[in-house]
Amino acid sequence: DIVMTQSPDSLAVSLGERATINCKSSQSVLYRSNNKNYLAWYQQKPGQPPQLLIYWASTRESGVPDRFSGSGSGTDFTLTISSLQAEDVAVYYCQQYYTTPITFGQGTRLEIK
Amino acid sequence: QVQLQQWGAGLLKPSETLSLTCAVYGGSFSAYYWSWIRQPPGKGLEWIGEIDHSGGTTYNPSLKSRVTISIDTSKNQFSLNLSSVTAADTAVYYCARDPYYDSSGNEVNWFDPWGQGTLVTVSS
Repeated sequence: DIVMTQSPDSLAVSLGERATINCKSSQSVLYRSNNKNYLAWYQQKPGQPPQLLIYWASTRESGVPDRFSGSGSGTDFTLTISSLQAEDVAVYYCQQYYTTPITFGQGTRLEIK
Repeated sequence: QVQLQQWGAGLLKPSETLSLTCAVYGGSFSAYYWSWIRQPPGKGLEWIGEIDHSGGTTYNPSLKSRVTISIDTSKNQFSLNLSSVTAADTAVYYCARDPYYDSSGNEVNWFDPWGQGTLVTVSS
């Protein structure tokens, strides 16, 4: 199984500041034939199911604010929130879909400082 | 707007079988794959398995011996059975849609949207 490891486990950022969450996979999730990274990001607010934010490591899902961006390739990825808003308080998960079983990171809890 | 609505028993005894159903409203049912994912209280997400419209399944090897996912295309529903449950199976269970192919024909396995979740507690 591909192990997904996120860092940090929790993060406190001031409103309007940048938040950065990292995700590392135990093996590359870059598929060389199409040069795509099989990596998605989700946001989960309390009491709600996860919501897809980003796929292909950097493509925002329709309706996701542009303050959310994804980057990285191979085994190292980053989710960045450029200017933290109060409604961004949530747990964030990365997920690989390079191979089954599909696996998720352990989550990063984002709070307001 | 696609909506997934799920239901099933929320309290089980050890050794019983967990059964959940997810109904899909709106959008195409046959064009997608359908997955089950679970989340133990306060913990992360675990993919259980998926099914396509013809009944083809892929399961997480960690649960494969106990899992059955089935589909009823006449009702736009799919179901999860997990046998011989223990306290370790206590979790919120989610159903979710998987596009399986993106617009360029690449195989994908991301999940959107998700059902509302069902808390299943296993306790004697």
